Amino acid sequence: GQQVMQIPQYQHVQEGEDFTTYCNSSTTLSNIQWYKQRPGGHPVFLIQLVKSGEVKKQKRLTFQFGEAKKNSSLHITATQTTDVGTYFCAGGVVGAGKSTFGDGTTLTVKP
Amino acid sequence: DAGITQSPRYKITETGRQVTLMCHQTWSHSYMFWYRQDLGHGLRLIYYSAAADITDKGEVPDGYVVSRSKTENFPLTLESATRSQTSVYFCASSPGWSYEQYFGPGTRLTVT
Repeated sequence: GQQVMQIPQYQHVQEGEDFTTYCNSSTTLSNIQWYKQRPGGHPVFLIQLVKSGEVKKQKRLTFQFGEAKKNSSLHITATQTTDVGTYFCAGGVVGAGKSTFGDGTTLTVKP
Repeated sequence: DAGITQSPRYKITETGRQVTLMCHQTWSHSYMFWYRQDLGHGLRLIYYSAAADITDKGEVPDGYVVSRSKTENFPLTLESATRSQTSVYFCASSPGWSYEQYFGPGTRLTVT
């Protein structure tokens, strides 16, 4: 079945450093979503990418969908303590109605 | 306000008991999902539903039962709870025409 892998599993950064998490799918995707889960909270939808090579920005966050639609990345510029949490990607295939979640990257930020 | 709610938020039950977790959404989303998240781990799909009266198994369906008689409700039942089912359970909904999912606050279930 479809697998979605995320690396790294954990990332510890100093406040102000950049952070990137990568998501790789075993199959070609029709879309990919990114979610953020704060410690003790629930996953919150951040963004969805659907086009090959698509790049979207939300303030300090940049999301990219690969040309082959099999990988994606989330880059955070100049991390802040509010960025702490686990970031999940989830890949969808047309007609499936559901997405397959990666295991997440947990980000900790040292002030 | 519109949203997705789960009840109870916390539940302690004994091994062998039946327990039902409730999920309610007010968006009229066609898709609904149940996930479990064990401490320090990712989300594992238990069951999902594309519409009322249509349900399908996810990765880890054993020991769970779902029903969806109304679009807005998607209860999850543990028929005979086991300690391995101690987890945080998240319900989510999705409009269907878009794959984005909106999660409820979760139910923290402890089986003793």
